[in-house]
Amino acid sequence: ILNVEQSPQSLHVQEGDSTNFTCSFPSSNFYALHWYRWETAKSPEALFVMTLNGDEKKKGRISATLNTKEGYSYLYIKGSQPEDSATYLCASTTSSSNTGKLIFGQGTTLQVKP
Amino acid sequence: DAGVIQSPRHEVTEMGQEVTLRCKPISGHNSLFWYRQTMMRGLELLIYFNNNVPIDDSGMPEDRFSAKMPNASFSTLKIQPSEPRDSAVYFCASSWDARVDTQYFGPGTRLTVL
Repeated sequence: ILNVEQSPQSLHVQEGDSTNFTCSFPSSNFYALHWYRWETAKSPEALFVMTLNGDEKKKGRISATLNTKEGYSYLYIKGSQPEDSATYLCASTTSSSNTGKLIFGQGTTLQVKP
Repeated sequence: DAGVIQSPRHEVTEMGQEVTLRCKPISGHNSLFWYRQTMMRGLELLIYFNNNVPIDDSGMPEDRFSAKMPNASFSTLKIQPSEPRDSAVYFCASSWDARVDTQYFGPGTRLTVL
């Protein structure tokens, strides 16, 4: 793939449900994968930056995994809460670019119903 | 640190007018990014500076857009003349090492061109 793609585009879950979504990115010349959380009317806020194949990071109820060989990352939210409602963006950088240009996906918008 | 500072937060102008958006990155960060958010295209990178030098301006829509970074603590994005299709939220972000470090986003400037 040439672009960063995220699925699903949107997701509606009940409070307490666990959920996950996918980010697919170009695996050739991979350098780093970023996850951001973006609440409505606010600015994107960083969650994780991952670089190593098999890397797994965790922040509270949110965790992410990385597979650089096949070019995907999963973001998991355990026991979703209404305050988790936001758009989750992933972005990748490549070593060939020699720059910090992040290629963003379109995001997955999560709505958690109380 | 106060984080990335952007001004103004809101700008309403008439078509044909010049618009200047301002950004103060986090002190010590050597990379600065200007993004534009629209419903149609999501979050797109306009231009990226490293150590005050423009590295990648391939996202700048056309000659009406220009960006400068005269020193490490200040950058401007100028649109002249502005058009209604320029209406969007413009974000500035900064980071230490653009490829692997978190980008810290400012609060954004909501631009409306009438």
